[in-house]
Amino acid sequence: GQNIDQPTEMTATEGAIVQINCTYQTSGFNGLFWYQQHAGEAPTFLSYNVLDGLEEKGRFSSFLSRSKGYSYLLLKELQMKDSASYLCAVRAVNNDMRFGAGTRLTVKP
Amino acid sequence: DSGVTQTPKHLITATGQRVTLRCSPRSGDLSVYWYQQSLDQGLQFLIQYYNGEERAKGNILERFSAQQFPDLHSELNLSSLELGDSALYFCASSVGDGLAGSYEQYFGPGTRLTVT
Repeated sequence: GQNIDQPTEMTATEGAIVQINCTYQTSGFNGLFWYQQHAGEAPTFLSYNVLDGLEEKGRFSSFLSRSKGYSYLLLKELQMKDSASYLCAVRAVNNDMRFGAGTRLTVKP
Repeated sequence: DSGVTQTPKHLITATGQRVTLRCSPRSGDLSVYWYQQSLDQGLQFLIQYYNGEERAKGNILERFSAQQFPDLHSELNLSSLELGDSALYFCASSVGDGLAGSYEQYFGPGTRLTVT
């Protein structure tokens, strides 16, 4: 089976950097995704990792270590609009997608 | 606006009933995915279709079924509805089949189903 863990809530200050961790256990691995979801809205794609290392995309970066079953999403220069839930999702080799419960990030002025 | 459309936006129905949710993918996308999001279960992958054929199956109940039509729109059928089926149902689409590569998924606005 698959188990995906991420912190329930985090708080950070505007302009700061925050790191949201995700650990997973999976019977097969075919990529890890990060999504952002504002309350009442649909998830939007942030990043994808399938090989070990860091993927950078503007203020957002995502890291993957397959041997450790570990990923993080790094958000730099935090803005108030970054307050949202961040979902870690793992895709298995059969294309089944499993999502973590999400990390609710609150950015304070 | 992701380019994925879902209808209806809201649906209220009674236990035991059957409903159909509809999704039109972005132009050019061949894959359609269905997800259920409830407060206690989070986001759950239900099923994926690629170019008309079922490609992957997640936590989809036997009371639920889906199909993708030749024009690539998809329908999710929910039958013998229970109170616990109340949730937000999202459809997403992607260009490829997702078995290789990132194939970013674009989510529709969702259909909020309330079973009373």
